[in-house]
Amino acid sequence: GESVGLHLPTLSVQEGDNSIINCAYSNSASDYFIWYKQESGKGPQFIIDIRSNMDKRQGQRVTVLLNKTVKHLSLQIAATQPGDSAVYFCAEILEYGNKLVFGAGTILRVKS
Amino acid sequence: EAQVTQNPRYLITVTGKKLTVTCSQNMNHEYMSWYRQDPGLGLRQIYYSMNVEVTDKGDVPEGYKVSRKEKRNFPLILESPSPNQTSLYFCASSSGTGEYEQYFGPGTRLTVT
Repeated sequence: GESVGLHLPTLSVQEGDNSIINCAYSNSASDYFIWYKQESGKGPQFIIDIRSNMDKRQGQRVTVLLNKTVKHLSLQIAATQPGDSAVYFCAEILEYGNKLVFGAGTILRVKS
Repeated sequence: EAQVTQNPRYLITVTGKKLTVTCSQNMNHEYMSWYRQDPGLGLRQIYYSMNVEVTDKGDVPEGYKVSRKEKRNFPLILESPSPNQTSLYFCASSSGTGEYEQYFGPGTRLTVT
């Protein structure tokens, strides 16, 4: 809910614009990454994933880019809609899928 | 409908009174996990289970217990809750066989006074 968003970076975009949400990860051994979306009052919802042997993966209106050199992930949302307003988390997968380490999250606000 | 369910959704309790939060999934998933979410800290893993009778600690296991006697259920037990365990708790599951996408439950908001 609301309290989850305290102290998080916020990205405000106009409806129809593209959004880019960034995430830095810490473990160079991570070989799998996931982006989750969390709407107010709900659990995180899977958006898209990427393995470390890829640089880019596209889904419906979303693209994830992975830069292993600088340990950076980004999530691009095309033609952002009001329904995209949420908190977005990246997660790195460790220990053969047994451990997820989540980033702190970014609030995306879409202005109509 | 494939889902992860948690009960209760909201709970207010007092320090030291044992409580259990239940988690159940209907997807025949092998892997289940518990997380807590606190403002500004993101989600932190408490415990996880790779299969029945197999559990292991996550990053913040202190003050919690879990059990996995059946594949579908993974209860979280707080033997003696304290105010610092006031948080939003999520259960999640995944197939555990090379597919790492975790499906999350709706969350349980716990307040310990």
